[in-house]
Amino acid sequence: EPEVTQTPSHQVTQMGQEVILRCVPISNHLYFYWYRQILGQKVEFLVSFYNNEISEKSEIFDDQFSVERPDGSNFTLKIRSTKLEDSAMYFCASRRQGGVSGNTIYFGEGSWLTVV
Amino acid sequence: AQTVTQSQPEMSVQEAETVTLSCTYDTSENNYYLFWYKQPPSRQMILVIRQEAYKQQNATENRFSVNFQKAAKSFSLKISDSQLGDTAMYFCAFMKHLGANSKLTFGKGITLSVRP
Repeated sequence: EPEVTQTPSHQVTQMGQEVILRCVPISNHLYFYWYRQILGQKVEFLVSFYNNEISEKSEIFDDQFSVERPDGSNFTLKIRSTKLEDSAMYFCASRRQGGVSGNTIYFGEGSWLTVV
Repeated sequence: AQTVTQSQPEMSVQEAETVTLSCTYDTSENNYYLFWYKQPPSRQMILVIRQEAYKQQNATENRFSVNFQKAAKSFSLKISDSQLGDTAMYFCAFMKHLGANSKLTFGKGITLSVRP
């Protein structure tokens, strides 16, 4: 069964450094998402992406964050200058357009980011 | 804005018994989608079951079933014949439509422990 894959699974970075989290969504999916989960808290929406542009972003997704689909398969989240409070699990997710499963968002295994 | 409430922070159940996890939500939409996701200690987000609001019939997936009460805005998950592998955090989630800016809104989650 196709899966959303994310790299790295765990990254430790120093405060102020740039981080890029990478995702390969399921191949026939057209909607892409990033969510984050701070340890012990609920899963929060960051941004949705469709047709090569951001369709919605949350208030968490400030100017330090950006997303890109550099080619036909990858979907990346960049944090320009990391802060301690950016430490969290970041989930990439995707959804197809229409069809039986078109109403379901599938998640990757997450990238655990630790900012020190 | 949509909100999802999971008021029970944790529950425990004996192996082979049945447990029900509660979820309520608030929306002014008429058509929407509801989900339960499971997050085991590995922290991956795994879809358990989904329900389309326009369907009156409650969704069922093997040992998992829901009790969807649209008027009451209630969406509980019943796990029958609980297994040790069901030990996880369970999140209830809401998605209001399938447009470009569709996204999941999660509840805070409930930690379920299955006792041997």
